[in-house]
Amino acid sequence: DIQMTQSPSTLSASVGDRVTITCRASQSISSWLAWYQQKPGKAPKLLIYKASSLESGVPSRFSGSGSGTEFTLTISSLQPDDFATYYCQQYNSYPEFGQGTKVEIK
Amino acid sequence: EVQLVQSGAEVKKPGESLKISCKGSGYSFTSYWIGWVRQMPGKGLEWMGIIYPGDSDTRYSPSFQGQVTISADKSISTAYLQWSSLKASDTAMYYCARSRDYGSGRRYFDYWGQGTLVTVSS
Repeated sequence: DIQMTQSPSTLSASVGDRVTITCRASQSISSWLAWYQQKPGKAPKLLIYKASSLESGVPSRFSGSGSGTEFTLTISSLQPDDFATYYCQQYNSYPEFGQGTKVEIK
Repeated sequence: EVQLVQSGAEVKKPGESLKISCKGSGYSFTSYWIGWVRQMPGKGLEWMGIIYPGDSDTRYSPSFQGQVTISADKSISTAYLQWSSLKASDTAMYYCARSRDYGSGRRYFDYWGQGTLVTVSS
């Protein structure tokens, strides 16, 4: 099994802040990583695939980087709509999600 | 517009059976894998399994193998998740999601259903 570990578990930030979330894989997954955003009571929404490819319609303030075992999701300037929980998911083998990072208002 | 519409919330007793559904529209249902994802109350996302409606090829997460059954009826563009004997620990939100497939089992999820809440309580 490939284990995915996100950090931090919770992040307090203000509107306009630059926010970075890290996801680490227990073994190399090349660039087979996706990021999702989930708001309370809603289904997850795809933001990034293949580590750094922005899904159509997703604002450009979201970006992804990394390869191998370490990946980051960056929000360049946090907006009110961005307060949510973010999950990474590896797909080098059968899908495995990270435990999530909650971005809350500071 | 791609849509996945799931069946409504269910309240069941332990030991009962259940089948929930996920109807796809706006795309070729037989050309994309459909996965199921569990989210227990206040917890994260867990991949349960996936089916290719074109030929009903099905794969399960080791954690869910033998615990649930995934099926599909391509004639009505609908995928299913079923339990033969529910437990209280099956209480969760269940999502279906369309998968983009890069081969060799490499899949992520681009469209999601709205979720079906299953509550199992005596």
